[in-house]
Amino acid sequence: AQSVTQLGSHVSVSEGALVLLRCNYSSSVPPYLFWYVQYPNQGLQLLLKYTTGATLVKGINGFEAEFKKSETSFHLTKPSAHMSDAAEYFCAVSDLNSSASKIIFGSGTRLSIRP
Amino acid sequence: KAGVTQTPRYLIKTRGQQVTLSCSPISGHRSVSWYQQTPGQGLQFLFEYFSETQRNKGNFPGRFSGRQFSNSRSEMNVSTLELGDSALYLCASSATGEANSPLHFGNGTRLTVT
Repeated sequence: AQSVTQLGSHVSVSEGALVLLRCNYSSSVPPYLFWYVQYPNQGLQLLLKYTTGATLVKGINGFEAEFKKSETSFHLTKPSAHMSDAAEYFCAVSDLNSSASKIIFGSGTRLSIRP
Repeated sequence: KAGVTQTPRYLIKTRGQQVTLSCSPISGHRSVSWYQQTPGQGLQFLFEYFSETQRNKGNFPGRFSGRQFSNSRSEMNVSTLELGDSALYLCASSATGEANSPLHFGNGTRLTVT
């Protein structure tokens, strides 16, 4: 069965520093990949997705992620953290012939930003 | 376009009671899914409705049920509430319901069972 691993349940960076949130998936067939963000008392919001094509995907709020098939990874980065980036981030995968609802979410990484 | 709307935002119920949660998807979206989010278990899939039919179901007891109306609005019902049902319940809609179609989430209903 497909699985998603997010390394680090909590990441803390200084404002202006690089943000790196790690995500690895288990499928031997490249799936569809997503990053979602959840702010306190809100639902999840799509940051970016990889389906086909360019392996470097740009999303909202300055985030980007690179699909690396050889490493089965889809790490999320942002060059310079902002206080407003403090939230929980979820990596998720969908198998190619599945449905949107059967998406598998990682356990989440809480990002804290130090002033 | 208006986003996914969930009502109510907060609910407090007593063990043994039943509860109904409501979700209005983005206009034109035919797929509506429900998820339970708890600190211990994370996000768990409850069920998906597409064109008024339950298309997929997660691993939850029969106390959890749902339905979808012809206008794509969906309701979720939990009967005989247990303390462990306390959670954030999230509804999400998808334009096509296909694997590459992102989910659009509402802000959730926070259910507390006492």
